[in-house]
Amino acid sequence: QTVVTQEPSLTVSPGGTVTLTCASSTGAVTSGNYPNWFQQKPGQAPRSLIHTTSYKHSWTPARFSGSLLGGKAALTLSTVQPEDEADYFCQFYYGGTWVFGGGTRLTVL
Amino acid sequence: QVQLVESGGGVVQPGKSLRLPCTASGFTFSSYAMHWVRQAPGKGLEWVADISGNGSKKNYADSVRGRFTISRDNSKNTLYLQMDSLRAEDAAVYYCARGIIGGWGIGYWGQGTLVTVSS
Repeated sequence: QTVVTQEPSLTVSPGGTVTLTCASSTGAVTSGNYPNWFQQKPGQAPRSLIHTTSYKHSWTPARFSGSLLGGKAALTLSTVQPEDEADYFCQFYYGGTWVFGGGTRLTVL
Repeated sequence: QVQLVESGGGVVQPGKSLRLPCTASGFTFSSYAMHWVRQAPGKGLEWVADISGNGSKKNYADSVRGRFTISRDNSKNTLYLQMDSLRAEDAAVYYCARGIIGGWGIGYWGQGTLVTVSS
């Protein structure tokens, strides 16, 4: 069973920069895993932020960026805003199926 | 604008069946792969299944394969999830989501429908 691992929680100050990562139990994350990133606030449906490693949706704020970093997928938030406080989930593709990470709770404090 | 509206959730006994429809509007439904994703109360997201635009290709998570069936009716702009032999661990909010053209993954999400499995 494939496991995708995220930091359980991170804290960042307003205006700061933070990087969230996702690792795969199968080894290094590659572009072929087509990493996706999602944001979810309490009581709301998830919102898509990044697809295919680094591509933003039309509604994704410019301060969010996706990349591959040291064998992991990474989501970097620059100039963090208070409204960025949320749960963040990554998702990887494994030849026909998709697996989500357990999520990172980001606190802006 | 893109809209995805799930329905059909409710309370169902273990071992019973339930079908969830998701009605789509605001885009050419048949052009997009569609997904079902679920979220148990207080837990993370779990991908359940996806289906290609023409319905010819379907994929399932191991946890539901053989019990759940994804399907679509492009003439009705509707996605379905037939859930059979339901278990307590299937209780969750079920989200319908649209795939991406020119990329891989999920773009738009519905608001979800809650399924409770209890005797």
